[in-house]
Amino acid sequence: DTAVSQTPKYLVTQMGNDKSIKCEQNLGHDTMYWYKQDSKKFLKIMFSYNNKELIINETVPNRFSPKSPDKAHLNLHINSLELGDSAVYFCASSQVSRGPWNGYTFGSGTRLTVV
Amino acid sequence: AQSVTQLDSHVSVSEGTPVLLRCNYSSSYSPSLFWYVQHPNKGLQLLLKYTSAATLVKGINGFEAEFKKSETSFHLTKPSAHMSDAAEYFCVVSADSGYSTLTFGKGTMLLVSP
Repeated sequence: DTAVSQTPKYLVTQMGNDKSIKCEQNLGHDTMYWYKQDSKKFLKIMFSYNNKELIINETVPNRFSPKSPDKAHLNLHINSLELGDSAVYFCASSQVSRGPWNGYTFGSGTRLTVV
Repeated sequence: AQSVTQLDSHVSVSEGTPVLLRCNYSSSYSPSLFWYVQHPNKGLQLLLKYTSAATLVKGINGFEAEFKKSETSFHLTKPSAHMSDAAEYFCVVSADSGYSTLTFGKGTMLLVSP
């Protein structure tokens, strides 16, 4: 039973399209994240939600909009896709507010290719 | 502010020989430190973590790391490399707990030859 699951695993789309990536965690964690891994494999935080509330919003274009319908889900919607958006996007979750902090559990990633 | 420097972009070893992947960090807070592994076209798997308990941390697959505050280092070691260890390894730092985000190093690619 996958702890943090992302769909789709691969996404190929044309420039200018709008697409969404979904993420769900069944760990009961209270905080979820989106990270972007660029072509040089560097990982950087994009967003963080705690109990459905946005708490971290790094310098990301407005075309990226996260949505958290409940604390088990954090979706990423991207408008007007550009070539530079091609990357691997990782969802992660973490339990922050109770007990010792054990770091993150990552999903397996979504490889987005914009053509 | 926090940062991580992985001193080698690539490390090549022969199967059965020791592995050393080097990591230095800086953090304004008492840090938590992690090593993650990423196999080709796969997600990120936690190898081990240091969260202010024992300074020598044992992880999965025979890996371990030692937190040395005086040297601000958290090097990853394994006594004997296996072919399946070939992957990208990320050293990661976070301020202790809270909503702090993870800061990743740029990764070290471990190559294992027969």
